[in-house]
Amino acid sequence: DVKVTQSSRYLVKRTGEKVFLECVQDMDHENMFWYRQDPGLGLRLIYFSYDVKMKEKGDIPEGYSVSREKKERFSLILESASTNQTSMYLCASSSTSSGGFDEQFFGPGTRLTVL
Amino acid sequence: QKEVEQNSGPLSVPEGAIASLNCTYSDRGSQSFFWYRQYSGKSPELIMSIYSNGDKEDGRFTAQLNKASQYVSLLIRDSQPSDSATYLCAVNPGNTGGFKTIFGAGTRLFVKA
Repeated sequence: DVKVTQSSRYLVKRTGEKVFLECVQDMDHENMFWYRQDPGLGLRLIYFSYDVKMKEKGDIPEGYSVSREKKERFSLILESASTNQTSMYLCASSSTSSGGFDEQFFGPGTRLTVL
Repeated sequence: QKEVEQNSGPLSVPEGAIASLNCTYSDRGSQSFFWYRQYSGKSPELIMSIYSNGDKEDGRFTAQLNKASQYVSLLIRDSQPSDSATYLCAVNPGNTGGFKTIFGAGTRLFVKA
């Protein structure tokens, strides 16, 4: 059974803290993604990676950074958490076909609250 | 700006009816199309993918693609209360889209028992 796991389901942090969100996939997918999802705004892509040590900015990268040192692991870093980063964070992975990214498999999500 | 648009709903249908969910997209060169289901508080999961014009059926679900009109739809036959969820349409744009999958904001579906 394919699986994407995220390090925490719920996380509460204080403004200014450095926050690490970890994602691991066991499908040997080359592509990994970080999204945030907010009511009324849908899924918004923060960063994605198509290979180890490679990263591309998504639509809302400001305030975030990422790290991909191993193929199966993709980390999202909030350098200095702010209250407007309170959200549901979803990690996903996919393979690649001639039509672009294949279907994405999502992790269970991390609900982050920044106080 | 590549766009994928869905009616946010809620769409309410009685149990046993056909639910019809629609999605339009702006990039005429789009190649791959996906429907995801998301239950409240859960992450999206794939229901259907479709790549060529026409219908694709899987159990109670049928995806329909019309590239000339730039729309993709999802039909759910014999709707059940367990189908109540938000349905996300996702599109892979053509090469000029940078291979970033674009998600619609989703349509909320309620199936009344």
